[in-house]
Amino acid sequence: DAMVIQNPRYQVTQFGKPVTLSCSQTLNHNVMYWYQQKSSQAPKLLFHYYDKDFNNEADTPDNFQSRRPNTSFCFLDIRSPGLGDAAMYLCATSRDRGRAGPLNTQYFGPGTRLTVL
Amino acid sequence: QQPVQSPQAVILREGEDAVINCSSSKALYSVHWYRQKHGEAPVFLMILLKGGEQKGHEKISASFNEKKQQSSLYLTASQLSYSGTYFCGTEGAQKLVFGQGTRLTINP
Repeated sequence: DAMVIQNPRYQVTQFGKPVTLSCSQTLNHNVMYWYQQKSSQAPKLLFHYYDKDFNNEADTPDNFQSRRPNTSFCFLDIRSPGLGDAAMYLCATSRDRGRAGPLNTQYFGPGTRLTVL
Repeated sequence: QQPVQSPQAVILREGEDAVINCSSSKALYSVHWYRQKHGEAPVFLMILLKGGEQKGHEKISASFNEKKQQSSLYLTASQLSYSGTYFCGTEGAQKLVFGQGTRLTINP
């Protein structure tokens, strides 16, 4: 089945220790997104790639970086995690973006829950 | 501009009905609805396109009123499995913009 996979499902890191979260997709979608979601809040978009074109949200801290080496994979790097970065990180994909109707539908991976000690 | 959902939370007994609204201050091209169960990722339910159409998924249906810039999600004869947080998403220039969510709790 076509799907979005995230690894690891749970990640524990120490304050200030860099961490990388992984996302892969078999949907062959053009767009890949990274969201941060804290308890009882809506997912907050950090950035997205349209193919190789990187699009950062204005309020995403510099501490968060991303790489998309190919269509299938996308990584989220947190350079120096703080206690406030503990959250669920969701990866999503869509075939297209913007006013694209059904092509804009996002498919989410199961998420990585990050704990910062 | 983030769409506004109402109510923020609903508590129902199994078998009761609920309506969740999603309003935007901008003209809507389409509205996407997602459900997120506790500890899981959001799952796509349905998309409503311009034209005031209604769509359905199980006993969940939705409408889209272009003039009012609003979409409503109708949950009929709710089941325990409907519990979760419902998000609407509206199409911005390059992305979906999600509402703040409506938490739905179904009790036996």
